[in-house]
Amino acid sequence: AQTVTQSQPEMSVQEAETVTLSCTYDTSESDYYLFWYKQPPSRQMILVIRQEAYKQQNATENRFSVNFQKAAKSFSLKISDSQLGDAAMYFCAYAWVLPGYSTLTFGKGTMLLVSP
Amino acid sequence: DAGVTQSPTHLIKTRGQQVTLRCSPKSGHDTVSWYQQALGQGPQFIFQYYEEEERQRGNFPDRFSGHQFPNYSSELNVNALLLGDSALYLCASSLGQGLSTDTQYFGPGTRLTVL
Repeated sequence: AQTVTQSQPEMSVQEAETVTLSCTYDTSESDYYLFWYKQPPSRQMILVIRQEAYKQQNATENRFSVNFQKAAKSFSLKISDSQLGDAAMYFCAYAWVLPGYSTLTFGKGTMLLVSP
Repeated sequence: DAGVTQSPTHLIKTRGQQVTLRCSPKSGHDTVSWYQQALGQGPQFIFQYYEEEERQRGNFPDRFSGHQFPNYSSELNVNALLLGDSALYLCASSLGQGLSTDTQYFGPGTRLTVL
């Protein structure tokens, strides 16, 4: 079974600074997808960024980027120029994809605190 | 473009009762997945519906059942409620079979409290 581990229950960062959230996963599959989702107090789970395992290039989305190390099964999220609105719970998720059969396995989350 | 919607927002039930939660997928999506998120935990996969059939199921008892309608909306039913069923229930929609880019988009969730 696939597992996702987020070893940082909570992280703090000051506005405008950079923070990195860690995630490791365990799988025997070679073709899969990895995601970071953000869940603010409003509870809505929002997709932050997505990485296809077959792509060597790390995904980026504006201030958000990932460091994907396939051999190490590591998938960290870097948030640059942090903003107060980035404060939320961040979940790392794994999906083993057969066409149309993807389901998500989530980690326990990392609470990100952003101070002025 | 309407996103994923869920109803109701909050629900309070007592042990032994039955509950139905509802979800409308994002426009253009045909696959609905349900997740249970206990307090302080990540979401856990319950099941997934495509073409009105349950396509995959997580490690949840038969008390949890679902349905998908021809318009792709879905219901989650939980019978014989237990205190441990108290959680946030999330619905996610995606575009289904044949595509590898079926990222799941989530609704705002239904908070179920069992007393």
